[in-house]
Amino acid sequence: DAKTTQPTSMDCAEGRAANLPCNHSTISGNEYVYWYRQIHSQGPQYIIHGLKNNETNEMASLIITEDRKSSTLILPHATLRDTAVYYCIEETSGSRLTFGEGTQLTVNP
Amino acid sequence: DAGVTQSPTHLIKTRGQHVTLRCSPISGHKSVSWYQQVLGQGPQFIFQYYEKEERGRGNFPDRFSARQFPNYSSELNVNALLLGDSALYLCASSLAGTYLYEQYFGPGTRLTVT
Repeated sequence: DAKTTQPTSMDCAEGRAANLPCNHSTISGNEYVYWYRQIHSQGPQYIIHGLKNNETNEMASLIITEDRKSSTLILPHATLRDTAVYYCIEETSGSRLTFGEGTQLTVNP
Repeated sequence: DAGVTQSPTHLIKTRGQHVTLRCSPISGHKSVSWYQQVLGQGPQFIFQYYEKEERGRGNFPDRFSARQFPNYSSELNVNALLLGDSALYLCASSLAGTYLYEQYFGPGTRLTVT
């Protein structure tokens, strides 16, 4: 299974940008990178995905390096409600999400 | 519209027993996937069903089985429960299960095996 590497935990001050890195060195040319998050006691929630260009939506921005071996999820103005485990996921064959252990982001007041 | 619903919310079973977990997808969604999340780890894929047919199966023993009904709801069955089956069981629904960005997860069922 495709494997991504993320820091175990990160802290961020409320109102500041949260930048969550991910290494996906095994990614192939046509495979997307997906980001999901899981707030405590809830199911995972889709955030954003991308192939090679930077992407932005109402929740976040995704910056993918030119070699596509790593990416950064940016929450531009983190709030306390953004405290969650963030998962970076490589696309794999079959319609399944392969979650790693993710990054626990804690937003502090 | 209602999101994905799962029942029950919590349950406690004894080793060796059988359990059935239920999932109702978002209206109009025809695909349901099941995931197991052990404490401290990310969810692990168990099954995917689309139009009542099994589309994918993860690395889980035959004690785990599932089915999807004509109304697209689904059941996950686990036989001969082990202590290691204690986990949060998540259901995700999608229109056709094709795109990984369209998975909508329910709140899960917390299973405790004693």
